Amino acid sequence: EAGVTQFPSHSVIEKGQTVTLRCDPISGHDNLYWYRRVMGKEIKFLLHFVKESKQDESGMPNNRFLAERTGGTYSTLKVQPAELEDSGVYFCASSARQGANEKLFFGSGTQLSVL
Amino acid sequence: AQSVTQLGSHVSVSEGALVLLRCNYSSSVPPYLFWYVQYPNQGLQLLLKYTSAATLVKGINGFEAEFKKSETSFHLTKPSAHMSDAAEYFCAVSDLGGGYSTLTFGKGTMLLVSP
Repeated sequence: EAGVTQFPSHSVIEKGQTVTLRCDPISGHDNLYWYRRVMGKEIKFLLHFVKESKQDESGMPNNRFLAERTGGTYSTLKVQPAELEDSGVYFCASSARQGANEKLFFGSGTQLSVL
Repeated sequence: AQSVTQLGSHVSVSEGALVLLRCNYSSSVPPYLFWYVQYPNQGLQLLLKYTSAATLVKGINGFEAEFKKSETSFHLTKPSAHMSDAAEYFCAVSDLGGGYSTLTFGKGTMLLVSP
């Protein structure tokens, strides 16, 4: 069974440019999460999809970030325009169900560097 | 509000020595507690989780953690370190039943194992 896949693994862009990160969850997983780790800081929740709907986007830092999950399969996270403080590792995770028995599977992350 | 404090950004042990990674949490409701591990170039993997059942939780790869409510701690231990245990370890807390949208991570502890 394929795991959670994230593209690209690394991205280096200049301030003001646009970047799109992609996450392919495990097939059949309705729940998809985005998290971010800024260097030296904690991993923080960004948002949660259930199928194609945004269940919780309380962690999105500002309106330069746009997440989509068309068709309830893969998800994209676009940053436009990118700022220096957006640098970090962006993790995607998916799960089949919520509640006490939910098991979360993480991708290996996208390292974003904004110069 | 929840928070997690991991004492020590780096912990060094010799192969065969006891591993002790410290985690203290704060939560206004009974928590779920987790330990995740990230090996180089991989996603986070769940080591173990506490969900209000037994206070001593056994996980994968010989790790275990003990929930101590009076000390608000959930320290991770392993009796004998292997070289393959070298990785970054994250403690996390979630509201009971809140799901992974409420997952709050610590800053992580890098475990270094020397021969």
